[in-house]
Amino acid sequence: DSGVTQTPKHLITATGQRVTLRCSPRSGDLSVYWYQQSLDQGLQFLIQYYNGEERAKGNILERFSAQQFPDLHSELNLSSLELGDSALYFCASSPRGRLGNEQFFGPGTRLTVL
Amino acid sequence: AQTVTQSQPEMSVQEAETVTLSCTYDTSESDYYLFWYKQPPSRQMILVIRQEAYKQQNATENRFSVNFQKAAKSFSLKISDSQLGDAAMYFCASEGDSNYQLIWGAGTKLIIKP
Repeated sequence: DSGVTQTPKHLITATGQRVTLRCSPRSGDLSVYWYQQSLDQGLQFLIQYYNGEERAKGNILERFSAQQFPDLHSELNLSSLELGDSALYFCASSPRGRLGNEQFFGPGTRLTVL
Repeated sequence: AQTVTQSQPEMSVQEAETVTLSCTYDTSESDYYLFWYKQPPSRQMILVIRQEAYKQQNATENRFSVNFQKAAKSFSLKISDSQLGDAAMYFCASEGDSNYQLIWGAGTKLIIKP
């Protein structure tokens, strides 16, 4: 158990809908990362937050947005969902924004868009 | 754009034998970290080993060790005495030049033959 929690574990929804994925980092970790992993693919970095502020952006679609709240939990919002958005979405946390720290991964949220 | 290349989509090894997974990367930084993560069928991402580029000595964690060649930008993972539980996808990752994100390879699927 990494100490990072993600809810829900599974999500099934229809095209055009909007969903919110939630992540609680390890206690004391200030930085949260979001990744997308499509079937049998590598990890695609989406976005990073550090202590409530956006720190880095990767290949995140305009239909996706995220935020980190004062209690350091983070939410990833996916809207106007398409079939191709079906994937495993990981959240990871690390103590500081500077890498060299290990990223601790949550168990992921499996999103299925029908 | 920065890239991390894992040239072996799939590798297989006999149980108890040794296997080496290759990884090359590019970066303009002089000091950075490199990581190997393991993703078993449960899909949980687990850190296997970490190497700081500033350190000459290759990192070792029990049966896992790396061969880090900084000039060649090569970072291979050696697994000794392979066990059935080592069967997984293995991802190599390098710190991005911004130091705020990891750049991930496409992964190598490791099969252990009993």
